[in-house]
Amino acid sequence: SQTIHQWPATLVQPVGSPLSLECTVEGTSNPNLYWYRQAAGRGLQLLFYSVGIGQISSEVPQNLSASRPQDRQFILSSKKLLLSDSGFYLCAWSVRVWDTEAFFGQGTRLTVV
Amino acid sequence: AQSVTQLGSHVSVSEGALVLLRCNYSSSVPPYLFWYVQYPNQGLQLLLKYTTGATLVKGINGFEAEFKKSETSFHLTKPSAHMSDAAEYFCAVTLVIQGAQKLVFGQGTRLTINP
Repeated sequence: SQTIHQWPATLVQPVGSPLSLECTVEGTSNPNLYWYRQAAGRGLQLLFYSVGIGQISSEVPQNLSASRPQDRQFILSSKKLLLSDSGFYLCAWSVRVWDTEAFFGQGTRLTVV
Repeated sequence: AQSVTQLGSHVSVSEGALVLLRCNYSSSVPPYLFWYVQYPNQGLQLLLKYTTGATLVKGINGFEAEFKKSETSFHLTKPSAHMSDAAEYFCAVTLVIQGAQKLVFGQGTRLTINP
């Protein structure tokens, strides 16, 4: 069966520090991968998606970047965190683009102080 | 503009009462529709989905939703609420944006169950 792992579960980082959140998927190959951010009362915002190794599409201009160094690994990064980067970050995968459901990781609660 | 709207950011019902969470969408092509549930500090779990076929879709935990093309709606219902249903619920729709299919979420509805 397929599983998705996302870590860390919680993170408190000072403003200006770097960020690296990692997500890995097991039990499938060539998944579509996504990073979402959930800010309080604002639903889920798609940040990045990837249909293959090295292929990243950015949905909104921001202080974050994403990379896919391996087929089942998706990394969310920042060189310098802002207070506005605080939120709940969710990684997800799907088999095909959008006609099947996405499966979500447990999320990372990021607090920038 | 193509979008997803969940009417009501907070819904409160009594235990045993009907649950109705509303979702309307705007799309230029027939959409794929999903409802997800999120418990505190957890990821999202799929409740049910509509892709093709029967417009009344049954999901987990006794929930169901009906796709009504004429009303561009996909409302989520449950006949009798249980305390364990307290969570946040998200409607999601595949939309075509700038030629690419994207999965777009509504703003979410927080469901509270009163004893």
